[in-house]
Amino acid sequence: AQKITQTQPGMFVQEKEAVTLDCTYDTSDPSYGLFWYKQPSSGEMIFLIYQGSYDQQNATEGRYSLNFQKARKSANLVISASQLGDSAMYFCAMIISNFGNEKLTFGTGTRLTIIP
Amino acid sequence: NAGVTQTPKFQVLKTGQSMTLQCAQDMNHEYMSWYRQDPGMGLRLIHYSVGAGITDQGEVPNGYNVSRSTTEDFPLRLLSAAPSQTSVYFCASSYSPSGLSYEQYFGPGTRLTVT
Repeated sequence: AQKITQTQPGMFVQEKEAVTLDCTYDTSDPSYGLFWYKQPSSGEMIFLIYQGSYDQQNATEGRYSLNFQKARKSANLVISASQLGDSAMYFCAMIISNFGNEKLTFGTGTRLTIIP
Repeated sequence: NAGVTQTPKFQVLKTGQSMTLQCAQDMNHEYMSWYRQDPGMGLRLIHYSVGAGITDQGEVPNGYNVSRSTTEDFPLRLLSAAPSQTSVYFCASSYSPSGLSYEQYFGPGTRLTVT
């Protein structure tokens, strides 16, 4: 069975500093995808970034990058130059290829607070 | 496009009552799913559908029913509400069930309280 682990329940970071949110995963399937979602206090789920298991390069989207270390089964989210608006819950998620039966599994999340 | 819409936004039920949470998407997505979010537990998959007429169970399906008669709609039914079903419910959709890279679009959520 697939599993996502986020070991940091909460983090406090000074504004403008970079922050790394940890995510490790467990699967025996060679084909999978990893996502990061942001959930602000308003409650909506916002897609941030995606990394495929066969992607050679680490994914980047603006200030977000995914540090993908396949051998360690980790997919950490890096936010450069943090902003006050980055304060939110962040969820790592994994999807496994099972044609017609893909399921997205979420971690328990990390609450990030940016300090002015 | 309205994206993924959910109704109602808030609901209070008494134990034993039944109700249906509505979910609709206008993006012609094949894949739709329901999650519940509880404090400290992330989002857990309840049921999902890979197309009209096809549904399957997720991680926590007990106490919930779904059907998918159209591509657009994917209602979630609580048969006999229990306090353990107090949660925030999210509906999501994505373009293709066999496309790993397709992001899931989430609805705004329904906050359900069962007393």
